[in-house]
Amino acid sequence: NAGVTQTPKFQVLKTGQSMTLQCAQDMNHEYMSWYRQDPGMGLRLIHYSVGAGITDQGEVPNGYNVSRSTTEDFPLRLLSAAPSQTSVYFCASETGGNTEAFFGQGTRLTVV
Amino acid sequence: AQKVTQAQTEISVVEKEDVTLDCVYETRDTTYYLFWYKQPPSGELVFLIRRNSFDEQNEISGRYSWNFQKSTSSFNFTITASQVVDSAVYFCALSEAQYGGSQGNLIFGKGTKLSVKP
Repeated sequence: NAGVTQTPKFQVLKTGQSMTLQCAQDMNHEYMSWYRQDPGMGLRLIHYSVGAGITDQGEVPNGYNVSRSTTEDFPLRLLSAAPSQTSVYFCASETGGNTEAFFGQGTRLTVV
Repeated sequence: AQKVTQAQTEISVVEKEDVTLDCVYETRDTTYYLFWYKQPPSGELVFLIRRNSFDEQNEISGRYSWNFQKSTSSFNFTITASQVVDSAVYFCALSEAQYGGSQGNLIFGKGTKLSVKP
């Protein structure tokens, strides 16, 4: 019963490096999304997807790319990491109906 | 524009006290959804409740209760007889119906950190 799985749990990057945060869900949910959590800011939506092949921007999309080639996976790409992207990243999925949303355990990213 | 305000940044209570966490929201939609999430010190996000804008009935679940008042745009959360395990950051969030009620497009408040001392 995996739910939403995020990898890695921790990551340190140097400024300018690129990387991909992985998110996978095994619940056949159509809706998936990425949030970032910064101290005192709550969670802010980066990108979301309403189904395979469909993505859109959220509140803070700059510096991030996403794609949704399958229902199960929704990776988040940092093209050129900046210290401002130091944050905790959460992936979420849900069916889109009147049901519970599921969040991954989070990825703590530090950019130095 | 959508906005969620949790004016209480931190609250500290002694075990067995009742505590209310405030949430005020702004939206121009007539159909929307409100949520509460709990984030314990371990960091995961735990879904607590979802309420749609047409259902103003208060809800009780064990020691937890929620008071939804459209007239004041508030969705407050009360913990009765608090316990140390209730210590966490609590987030209120809003989603508008244009996304079909998807929880993938949540506007979060900044959270209230609750500390329950023994």
